[in-house]
Amino acid sequence: NAGVTQTPKFQVLKTGQSMTLQCAQDMNHNSMYWYRQDPGMGLRLIYYSASEGTTDKGEVPNGYNVSRLNKREFSLRLESAAPSQTSVYFCATIGGGLHEQFFGPGTRLTVL
Amino acid sequence: QKEVEQNSGPLSVPEGAIASLNCTYSDRGSQSFFWYRQYSGKSPELIMFIYSNGDKEDGRFTAQLNKASQYVSLLIRDSQPSDSATYLCAVKTGRRALTFGSGTRLQVQP
Repeated sequence: NAGVTQTPKFQVLKTGQSMTLQCAQDMNHNSMYWYRQDPGMGLRLIYYSASEGTTDKGEVPNGYNVSRLNKREFSLRLESAAPSQTSVYFCATIGGGLHEQFFGPGTRLTVL
Repeated sequence: QKEVEQNSGPLSVPEGAIASLNCTYSDRGSQSFFWYRQYSGKSPELIMFIYSNGDKEDGRFTAQLNKASQYVSLLIRDSQPSDSATYLCAVKTGRRALTFGSGTRLQVQP
């Protein structure tokens, strides 16, 4: 039982490059989330998916796209990376009870 | 005004003391409240949640909720150096996703 996995763990991009952050969960949870965390800013929601086939914007969606490929996987894509997207990205899932929350280990992204 | 506010700290307490962490929220319709612990370089971990006014205890942790005053607090009794971390408060309102505060850094001095 791996819980929530994220790949890659670290990434350095140049401005304008694209990349996809991958998230997978094996807990059969419906809801999946992408957050970014910047120093002193807490966690800010980028996008979320309440169930397979649905996605919704969060607080800071600009510059990102998402795909809920199936129940297990929820990916986050940066089409044209910018230095302002330098951050730590966390994927999270929530089960039927709100106390069933799990975060992935994070992806540390630097955009030069 | 931020939706969820926390003092960034650091809050420094001696080992064995009670650490008191506070969080205020702006939306009176908020229904569910969560506390997370985040060690440096690690992901957040849910440690407490509370839905009703009053206290909820779990081991050394007590969450307190006062909806009239719109604050939620976390007490850590018999603080240990291993409790040194950033504590995040989060609030859920209706069907919206969780809204997080910016966190309070706790330092427990041996």
